[in-house]
Amino acid sequence: SQQGEEDPQALSIQEGENATMNCSYKTSINNLQWYRQNSGRGLVHLILIRSNEREKHSGRLRVTLDTSKKSSSLLITASRAADTASYFCATDEGIVSGGSNYKLTFGKGTLLTVNP
Amino acid sequence: GAVVSQHPSRVICKSGTSVKIECRSLDFQATTMFWYRQFPKKSLMLMATSNEGSKATYEQGVEKDKFLINHASLTLSTLTVTSAHPEDSSFYICSAREVLVKEQFFGPGTRLTVL
Repeated sequence: SQQGEEDPQALSIQEGENATMNCSYKTSINNLQWYRQNSGRGLVHLILIRSNEREKHSGRLRVTLDTSKKSSSLLITASRAADTASYFCATDEGIVSGGSNYKLTFGKGTLLTVNP
Repeated sequence: GAVVSQHPSRVICKSGTSVKIECRSLDFQATTMFWYRQFPKKSLMLMATSNEGSKATYEQGVEKDKFLINHASLTLSTLTVTSAHPEDSSFYICSAREVLVKEQFFGPGTRLTVL
């Protein structure tokens, strides 16, 4: 079953604006990861946030995690046309992080379009 | 950085034939590899997890006799779609994970079209 649910499903903004995407999940997690996928291509890992972390930054990306609400957000600041892609959250809900039952469960994704 | 390759990137085959897709970790040893399937504008659905030298663990609803997975070495896993049908047409993506590393590295995907 799908663990992560992103919203919005689609987001269209102008270059220079900020884009915020949200992800909700249902069970306890070890960590939550955000990935980017250009159309018809593989996934690129953006950032991982552990369950004991609340916020993490990487360049123009800012990720927050609220385990009490079982939600995360990805903020892309000063967006560029090249940021146009689908963004997925994925949760690692293995009983033992990185253990033999480790696997990622992906949400449905947000399609971000940044207009020049 | 860690690189995962897939071959072929695109394949078109006739219904009833079998297709093999290779997934390779190019600069690291992957103790675990994952196979996903993605429909257009949809999320990735995990099909199976394979550990080097052991049988793959399939997700519920995935036919193991239909989707044969072999992880014979620490750098190579293969997915064979047997007796392919048009409904098997999809985008197949593999990922690989190194020991003790939480991050999965994804391949570029293989577009399978069954006529």
